[in-house]
Amino acid sequence: GENVEQHPSTLSVQEGDSAVIKCTYSDSASNYFPWYKQELGKRPQLIIDIRSNVGEKKDQRIAVTLNKTAKHFSLHITETQPEDSAVYFCAAISNDYKLSFGAGTTVTVRA
Amino acid sequence: DTAVSQTPKYLVTQMGNDKSIKCEQNLGHDTMYWYKQDSKKFLKIMFSYNNKELIINETVPNRFSPKSPDKAHLNLHINSLELGDSAVYFCASSQDPRPTEAFFGQGTRLTVV
Repeated sequence: GENVEQHPSTLSVQEGDSAVIKCTYSDSASNYFPWYKQELGKRPQLIIDIRSNVGEKKDQRIAVTLNKTAKHFSLHITETQPEDSAVYFCAAISNDYKLSFGAGTTVTVRA
Repeated sequence: DTAVSQTPKYLVTQMGNDKSIKCEQNLGHDTMYWYKQDSKKFLKIMFSYNNKELIINETVPNRFSPKSPDKAHLNLHINSLELGDSAVYFCASSQDPRPTEAFFGQGTRLTVV
């Protein structure tokens, strides 16, 4: 099955700085990579996704990049704000139709 | 309108009891899921149903039994609860069996004492 690894596990940034979270996956057949944001006590919410036929995708202050050859993908948050503080999960879907999550990154934006 | 709703939101029960968590989605999706989030926040698939049929059954103790009376509902029944079952259980749904753009419910925090 798919194995997704996520780093770092915690990330503290100054408001206005950028945050980068990196993930690797094991199954070369995986072709869909979503990112979820989970605020404290809330449900995971999809914030952006990327498919394997695309190398980069951007939505306002967040962007994702995908390197299929190296089997890694990253989330970039620019101009971080206090409301960006949350746990972020990367995930991958392979041919087994399972959404395999990384272990999560707790992002803290310091005001 | 809540897209994926779970009840109850909190559940505290004693070891050995049997309990159920209900989930309903009004998104018209064909596929529903149960995920377990442990104390370290790790999210793991438990079950997946597509149009009332079980399509994913992870290595979950058979004390856990999902039931889908129709494609808009997926309930989770747990027998003989154990301390290790304490976790947050999330229901989710997606348009088709590939969980692209999966939408999660608000979670049920189960505490077994």
